[in-house]
Amino acid sequence: EAAVTQSPRSKVAVTGGKVTLSCHQTNNHDYMYWYRQDTGHGLRLIHYSYVADSTEKGDIPDGYKASRPSQENFSLILELASLSQTAVYFCASRAGTGGAPYTLYFGAGTRLSVL
Amino acid sequence: QQQVRQSPQSLTVWEGETAILNCSYEDSTFDYFPWYWQFPRESPALLIAIRPVSNKKEDGRFTIFFNKREKKLSLHITDSQPGDSATYFCAASGDTGNYKYVFGAGTRLKVIA
Repeated sequence: EAAVTQSPRSKVAVTGGKVTLSCHQTNNHDYMYWYRQDTGHGLRLIHYSYVADSTEKGDIPDGYKASRPSQENFSLILELASLSQTAVYFCASRAGTGGAPYTLYFGAGTRLSVL
Repeated sequence: QQQVRQSPQSLTVWEGETAILNCSYEDSTFDYFPWYWQFPRESPALLIAIRPVSNKKEDGRFTIFFNKREKKLSLHITDSQPGDSATYFCAASGDTGNYKYVFGAGTRLKVIA
């Protein structure tokens, strides 16, 4: 079973502050993704990466930066947190080839509240 | 622009009935269409998936019907059980040249005993 670990599990941040959400996977997966989940919007793709040291913009990248310093680690950075960024954030990974390459394995999620 | 659309937003069926969840997509380069389900306070998990080479995929009570020409697919849940009550997400992804993995807004299914 693929393991994706997110930290912290929950966080309260102040408006205008910097927030870093971390994701670590131990399954040698090539692709990693960050999503936010809000009621009524499902899972919206923020950033993704298919190789270390490279990231791609998803559908809602504004206000977020991403960093993939290694294959195992993928961070989401909110430089200036805003009230509208209150949401649950999920990290996920999948293999590039072989096995079940298209199955996404999700972390447990980070509940972020910006006050 | 929503690349994957789902309907209905919510659905209530009686135990034993068939629930039908609909999905459509925009991008022809997607070649993998999974359905995920999510229970309250849990992460999404893969339920069943289909590739465009097939027009039907069955797994027990869950069946995907796929229409490539119309870019539509549907998930049929036969003999629905209260334990099937969850939010169901249709998703789309690709491999070479298209590494995005996008989800629809979800259908909240409630099965009444």
